[in-house]
Amino acid sequence: AQKVTQAQTEISVVEKEDVTLDCVYETRDTTYYLFWYKQPPSGELVFLIRRNSFDEQNEISGRYSWNFQKSTSSFNFTITASQVVDSAVYFCALSEGQAGTALIFGKGTTLSVSS
Amino acid sequence: AAGVIQSPRHLIKEKRETATLKCYPIPRHDTVYWYQQGPGQDPQFLISFYEKMQSDKGSIPDRFSAQQFSDYHSELNMSSLELGDSALYFCASSPLGLDFIDTQYFGPGTRLTVL
Repeated sequence: AQKVTQAQTEISVVEKEDVTLDCVYETRDTTYYLFWYKQPPSGELVFLIRRNSFDEQNEISGRYSWNFQKSTSSFNFTITASQVVDSAVYFCALSEGQAGTALIFGKGTTLSVSS
Repeated sequence: AAGVIQSPRHLIKEKRETATLKCYPIPRHDTVYWYQQGPGQDPQFLISFYEKMQSDKGSIPDRFSAQQFSDYHSELNMSSLELGDSALYFCASSPLGLDFIDTQYFGPGTRLTVL
């Protein structure tokens, strides 16, 4: 069965600190996709990144970077030089197989960045 | 860029009443998904449609039904509402990508309160 675990329920940092959000997944499929979404206090779900199981290249987008390691079934997310606007709930999600298939979300990590 | 549109944004109903939530996907997106997010919870998949046919089904109660119309918009019908149905209901849409899994882009959600 597929499962996503985000062990960190809440993280608090001070502005300009770096922070890493952990995500561990379980799946029996060889083809799968991993996602990160951000949910700010306003409530919407904002797509951040998608990774497929055949592409283990790490990715950097501005202050955001992602580390995908199939050997440890992890897809971790690092925010460099955090800012107050980064305060949100971050969800890691997994999807297998075909179009129209559900996203399986982790429980989310609440990140609080104080000034 | 156009986003997913959901209406209404807020809805208050009494127990045992019915509710209809509407979702208008991003133009040229043919797959629609519905999720339910309870307070402090991760989004839970309800159901999805591709080309007006049910594509995947999650933990959707029998009291709920949904469909996708010829213009690709979708409606979630909820009957015999219970207090536990109070939640944020998200609709998401995705295009049919060449690799068959595409990013789901979420609407702003409909906040349903059952009194």
